[in-house]
Amino acid sequence: DAKTTQPTSMDCAEGRAANLPCNHSTISGNEYVYWYRQIHSQGPQYIIHGLKNNETNEMASLIITEDRKSSTLILPHATLRDTAVYYCIVRRKNAGNMLTFGGGTRLMVKP
Amino acid sequence: KAGVTQTPRYLIKTRGQQVTLSCSPISGHRSVSWYQQTPGQGLQFLFEYFSETQRNKGNFPGRFSGRQFSNSRSEMNVSTLELGDSALYLCASSLELGLSDPQYFGPGTRLTVL
Repeated sequence: DAKTTQPTSMDCAEGRAANLPCNHSTISGNEYVYWYRQIHSQGPQYIIHGLKNNETNEMASLIITEDRKSSTLILPHATLRDTAVYYCIVRRKNAGNMLTFGGGTRLMVKP
Repeated sequence: KAGVTQTPRYLIKTRGQQVTLSCSPISGHRSVSWYQQTPGQGLQFLFEYFSETQRNKGNFPGRFSGRQFSNSRSEMNVSTLELGDSALYLCASSLELGLSDPQYFGPGTRLTVL
């Protein structure tokens, strides 16, 4: 399994960029890195995913290192509504659509 | 486009009863997965369906079962409910089974077993 390691919690000031790291040193070729977030008691929300190249969408940017062993999710201008648990997940090649969630990072955006 | 819908949103049952939860995927999505979330175990994969066939199953007892219909809607059933089955049950849908197809989650059904 390509397991992931994330800090348990992080704080960010409102309006500043939130940079959430994830280590996935055992990732294999063709395995994608996915990011989801979960706001209290709601269903997880898909944010972004990537394979090798950096990706950006309306919600966030994903920076993947060249060796693919780690990545960073960037929320460019964090708001209070971005307070959530953020999960970094590696989609396994032979696991179909099964997502293996770890503990995630609890991001607290403070005014 | 409407998101994933789950019904009911809240449910209270007693031990020994059975329960059926329903999930309607995003229009055009053919894959549906189910997850259980509890404070102690976190988010755990239950099973996955594609084209009415179960493709993958998590480590849960046989009391947990599911099915998918020809319109891609899915149901999961839990028989002989136990207190430990109290959880948020989440359904997710995706277009296909590809690694680059994101899954989109519904709001969940919160089941309380008394």
